[in-house]
Amino acid sequence: AQKVTQAQTEISVVEKEDVTLDCVYETRDTTYYLFWYKQPPSGELVFLIRRNSFDEQNEISGRYSWNFQKSTSSFNFTITASQVVDSAVYFCALSGQTSGSRLTFGEGTQLTVNP
Amino acid sequence: GAVVSQHPSRVICKSGTSVKIECRSLDFQATTMFWYRQFPKQSLMLMATSNEGSKATYEQGVEKDKFLINHASLTLSTLTVTSAHPEDSSFYICSARGGTANSPLHFGNGTRLTVT
Repeated sequence: AQKVTQAQTEISVVEKEDVTLDCVYETRDTTYYLFWYKQPPSGELVFLIRRNSFDEQNEISGRYSWNFQKSTSSFNFTITASQVVDSAVYFCALSGQTSGSRLTFGEGTQLTVNP
Repeated sequence: GAVVSQHPSRVICKSGTSVKIECRSLDFQATTMFWYRQFPKQSLMLMATSNEGSKATYEQGVEKDKFLINHASLTLSTLTVTSAHPEDSSFYICSARGGTANSPLHFGNGTRLTVT
């Protein structure tokens, strides 16, 4: 069985602060993919990143960075210098080799960035 | 980039009626499509997986006779909510994948269904 845990239900920060969203996963698959999606109030899912289980390199994309640590089964997401437009629900998700492309989503973290 | 179009974006219907939601892959052939449901302030739950030309595979607890899924072509899957009830009110979102298991997933913009 697969499981994704996002322990932070809601986070509130002030603009320009850095914020880290935690994600811990469980899977028995040796090959799997991890994802982060952003869901703004309008509802659509915006793809942010996909990382496969063999690639533990951290990634940076502009103000976004991701820290993948297999040893702790974590795939944390950091937003640097947060902006009001970053306010959204962020989902971490997992798909394992035995589940095809069926994603298991975490419960989501509501991020509110205040001006 | 690849685009998945979902229509309608918003629908209000009366109890007892049926509603059809379309999910189209616009610039790629989607061999597999997934339908998710999201209640307010909750996560996305997979309802079913549909493969082109075959019957959909439903997740445990999802009524296949209530949520009819058709994936008749490589670019279109439809979800029909039959005999809708107010408790079916939810956000339904589809995703589509290309030819291989490693192909990335693309999500539609979702359909907000309200049953009155």
